[in-house]
Amino acid sequence: DIQMTQSPSTLSASVGDRVTITCRASQSISRWLAWYQHKPGKAPKLLISAASTLESGVPSRFSGSVSGTEFTLAISSLQPDDFATYYCQQYSSYSVTFGQGTKLEIK
Amino acid sequence: QVQLVQSGAEVKKPGASVRVSCKASGYTFTGSYMHWVRQAPGQGLEWMGWINPASGATNYAQSFQGRVTLTRDISVSTVYMELARMMSDDTAVYYCARGNRQDQLLFSDSWGQGTRVTVSS
Repeated sequence: DIQMTQSPSTLSASVGDRVTITCRASQSISRWLAWYQHKPGKAPKLLISAASTLESGVPSRFSGSVSGTEFTLAISSLQPDDFATYYCQQYSSYSVTFGQGTKLEIK
Repeated sequence: QVQLVQSGAEVKKPGASVRVSCKASGYTFTGSYMHWVRQAPGQGLEWMGWINPASGATNYAQSFQGRVTLTRDISVSTVYMELARMMSDDTAVYYCARGNRQDQLLFSDSWGQGTRVTVSS
């Protein structure tokens, strides 16, 4: 299976900050990478698919980019509702893999 | 509305198997893949596999190959996940999750409520 290495595992930031989360794939996955936001007791919410396509209704402060096998989720100006755990997910083959997750905490 | 209702909590001894069910309603059961994902205490999400309810085709994560089996019963719109030879590190909450309409390998926002499985002697 393709491995996804996500970093950092924890990120402390303040409202208004710009933050980035990175996922590196163990082999080429083209642009088959999604990002989810997960809050306790709720289903993960799909934010971005195909590395950089924002899902309908997701605020434009979220963006995704790719360089080779390294994928980045950026949040341009953190809002209180953004503090959650974020996961990347590759879906380049019939199998899928999650990254380890990044917990975004209020500083 | 779409609902995925899972069976109740289980406590199993090491070496035993568990079978968790996920009953779907509110949509065409054969129209979406069903994934299984687990979350161990304090850990992240771990994908286990998917089943295509229309054909019965399955795909499993390599780490679960030979231990997990996904099946479905179309007559009752239910998917089953069986995990064999469990050990203590299989203690987790197990979720079923419907595939996304745009791409079945993505996850929709329809997830089951989770089934807590505890493996303990």
